[in-house]
Amino acid sequence: DAGVTQSPTHLIKTRGQQVTLRCSPKSGHDTVSWYQQALGQGPQFIFQYYEEEERQRGNFPDRFSGHQFPNYSSELNVNALLLGDSALYLCASNSPGYNRVAGGELFFGEGSRLTVL
Amino acid sequence: QKEVEQDPGPLSVPEGAIVSLNCTYSNSAFQYFMWYRQYSRKGPELLMYTYSSGNKEDGRFTAQVDKSSKYISLFIRDSQPSDSATYLCAMSAFQGAQKLVFGQGTRLTINP
Repeated sequence: DAGVTQSPTHLIKTRGQQVTLRCSPKSGHDTVSWYQQALGQGPQFIFQYYEEEERQRGNFPDRFSGHQFPNYSSELNVNALLLGDSALYLCASNSPGYNRVAGGELFFGEGSRLTVL
Repeated sequence: QKEVEQDPGPLSVPEGAIVSLNCTYSNSAFQYFMWYRQYSRKGPELLMYTYSSGNKEDGRFTAQVDKSSKYISLFIRDSQPSDSATYLCAMSAFQGAQKLVFGQGTRLTINP
């Protein structure tokens, strides 16, 4: 049973460029969220996707956007990259919950490490 | 002030020692408390999950929650070199929520 898979694992971009990161949730999961983990910090919630719509959003600017596809996979897009966007981007998924907030354990992928030069 | 504060360490102890990791929080809406373990270059994995105040034990690991003090702890008994990792506390207001609030993480090294 494949867990949460993310691609690419590493990438380097320059300031001002745009990046797309991809995530496939764990089998049986339909809800995906994205987190940003700066070096030496804990993960910070970016947003959550369910039924192809953004359901919750953390304190991130509109440069961060996402998409969820009918097969539950998801993309994170970041426009106009800044040096401060350098981080590990984690995707997480969990199983359907009774009221969309009472889902099961959150499973994380291994992340995509973005370096902005 | 951050919602969740965690001493970043680093913390280095000899094998077999008892390790205590702690977090404080300010949001009284938090009801669900988790500890994640993150090995280098890996994603976080859930270690312990507790609801409200009290203790929960799982093998060598014990999680404690004191909601009155807004303070949670993770104890590791008989620590092993394989326990060397970064430990992250995380909290949410709802069960199974996708939006977790994490502490900064404590980097732990167990020396053989």
